[in-house]
Amino acid sequence: DGGITQSPKYLFRKEGQNVTLSCEQNLNHDAMYWYRQDPGQGLRLIYYSQIVNDFQKGDIAEGYSVSREKKESFPLTVTSAQKNPTAFYLCASSIQGTNQPQHFGDGTRLSIL
Amino acid sequence: SQQGEEDPQALSIQEGENATMNCSYKTSINNLQWYRQNSGRGLVHLILIRSNEREKHSGRLRVTLDTSKKSSSLLITASRAADTASYFCATDASNAGNMLTFGGGTRLMVKP
Repeated sequence: DGGITQSPKYLFRKEGQNVTLSCEQNLNHDAMYWYRQDPGQGLRLIYYSQIVNDFQKGDIAEGYSVSREKKESFPLTVTSAQKNPTAFYLCASSIQGTNQPQHFGDGTRLSIL
Repeated sequence: SQQGEEDPQALSIQEGENATMNCSYKTSINNLQWYRQNSGRGLVHLILIRSNEREKHSGRLRVTLDTSKKSSSLLITASRAADTASYFCATDASNAGNMLTFGGGTRLMVKP
């Protein structure tokens, strides 16, 4: 079945450590997105990519980095510069263009040790 | 900043009752979308309504859009315990297309 796979489901980060969250899709979508969700809150956009080898900052990109070397993959690195990384991270993808729904993975919950 | 604001923040109803959630936003939009999130899971797309549409239906879901008031509502009829979830509205106001801004959500509990 087509879909989006995020891994791991749970991740723990030590002080000063970078961690990378994986997002893979087999929907043949050009656009991919990373969101952060804090408890009881809505989603905030971290980064998005509309095509391979191109990505743009969202509303809260500081302390995060991404790459888009393959259409299927859009990994997110949470760097040590992100001082409050504890959150639920959601990856999504969509067909490029207006009026397209986004398809979401099941998220990665990141906590600080 | 969040473009959409849902109202109420939480709603508790009995099975079989209707649930209405409202969303307000601030700028002109291309479309407004509603998503559902079960606890600890990703979001699931429910309905997309374009700026030139006023009402859409999908099964037990009815969405309205009033662009003059910059507001939308989601009605779930004949609710079931399985409808218990958080519901989010998201607006696309981007020039590039498909950049969504999410509201804070309505947490719906349907009691059996």
